[in-house]
Amino acid sequence: QQQVKQSPQSLIVQKGGISIINCAYENTAFDYFPWYQQFPGKGPALLIAIRPDVSEKKEGRFTISFNKSAKQFSLHIMDSQPGDSATYFCAASSNGGATNKLIFGTGTLLAVQP
Amino acid sequence: EAGVAQSPRYKIIEKRQSVAFWCNPISGHATLYWYQQILGQGPKLLIQFQNNGVVDDSQLPKDRFSAERLKGVDSTLKIQPAKLEDSAVYLCASTQLLSLNSPLHFGNGTRLTVT
Repeated sequence: QQQVKQSPQSLIVQKGGISIINCAYENTAFDYFPWYQQFPGKGPALLIAIRPDVSEKKEGRFTISFNKSAKQFSLHIMDSQPGDSATYFCAASSNGGATNKLIFGTGTLLAVQP
Repeated sequence: EAGVAQSPRYKIIEKRQSVAFWCNPISGHATLYWYQQILGQGPKLLIQFQNNGVVDDSQLPKDRFSAERLKGVDSTLKIQPAKLEDSAVYLCASTQLLSLNSPLHFGNGTRLTVT
């Protein structure tokens, strides 16, 4: 119940296309859903995050869509660029305690071809 | 602001040897985390500190792993003795507040190879 399932494992998109990465969770206590971006040799960096009281959040070319009833959320990257090539992790946590431990998905390796 | 500093960047040891990793969080960040990232997987929390106290170490293999943050600033993570399955990147992260609105700031990690 603590897992966050992420798909696909890898994704190849042409420059200018839309990249879509999906995640699903079981624990209904989760109330914070961030996406992290990781380049080779670097630590993950927060990209965008959403709370379950909204169904969509957009920041520039990055959009999170959230479906509370289906317990699913996804990352959309519009107008994908070669510089977006990285590994993307979805994550989830709950604030109902002394810790805000993040549970990460298994990651999606995105390659944007020029 | 300076980021989370970790050292060393790489470490190669033989199984049954010991190893230690060091982390200096962003100045003023009270919460510090150690994550283990095995190749092809997402980061998994090993231990979380709030100042110099342990908040969560439920996934830390305590028979071989130990961590401390004595003065509530920098931290060390130790493995003794190491096993082959400990080969991973060890990431340190910090956050200013224990709040969902406070993002984690990760260091670049220490890549450990156990042979």
